Amino acid sequence: NAGVTQTPKFQVLKTGQSMTLQCAQDMNHEYMSWYRQDPGMGLRLIHYSVGAGITDQGEVPNGYNVSRSTTEDFPLRLLSAAPSQTSVYFCASSYVKWHEAFFGQGTRLTVV
Amino acid sequence: AQSVTQLGSHVSVSEGALVLLRCNYSSSVPPYLFWYVQYPNQGLQLLLKYTTGATLVKGINGFEAEFKKSETSFHLTKPSAHMSDAAEYFCAVTPEGGQGNLIFGKGTKLSVKP
Repeated sequence: NAGVTQTPKFQVLKTGQSMTLQCAQDMNHEYMSWYRQDPGMGLRLIHYSVGAGITDQGEVPNGYNVSRSTTEDFPLRLLSAAPSQTSVYFCASSYVKWHEAFFGQGTRLTVV
Repeated sequence: AQSVTQLGSHVSVSEGALVLLRCNYSSSVPPYLFWYVQYPNQGLQLLLKYTTGATLVKGINGFEAEFKKSETSFHLTKPSAHMSDAAEYFCAVTPEGGQGNLIFGKGTKLSVKP
């Protein structure tokens, strides 16, 4: 049972480039979310989804887009990367929105 | 807005000593409460959670936490620290009836001295 899988684990982007961070879960969880982790800031919610076809913004959504076409996948898109988006990104899923969240291993993104 | 405060960004204890990591939350409605642990270069792993019922919650690796509504606290304790407990610990809440997203504290890095 893989749980929550994030790819890639590491990525370096140039300012202005675009990319998609992939997240997939095999637990049939309805609720999925993306967080970014910055030193001394804890984890902050970027976007979340309560089911296929439904997404909403979190605390820090600017510069990021998401979609949820299937229950399993919840990709995060950076359309035009900025140095301020240098961070560690975590995807999480849970059975329902207030249950225990299972986290992926993270994607460490550097924007130069 | 909901918030979570973890007192002390760094805590250092000796091996065998008591571990106490503090967490206070702001909420007008009793929330669901969680403690997560993050080992270096890894994702977060659930240590324990409080939803309803008994206010003293036992988790993995010998950790426990007590929900005190009157103090809006959910402090994490372990009677005897082990070297393997060195990690960063995050307290989180998800308000009942809210959107369900986790609101995290800023984390407490625990060091264990031999």
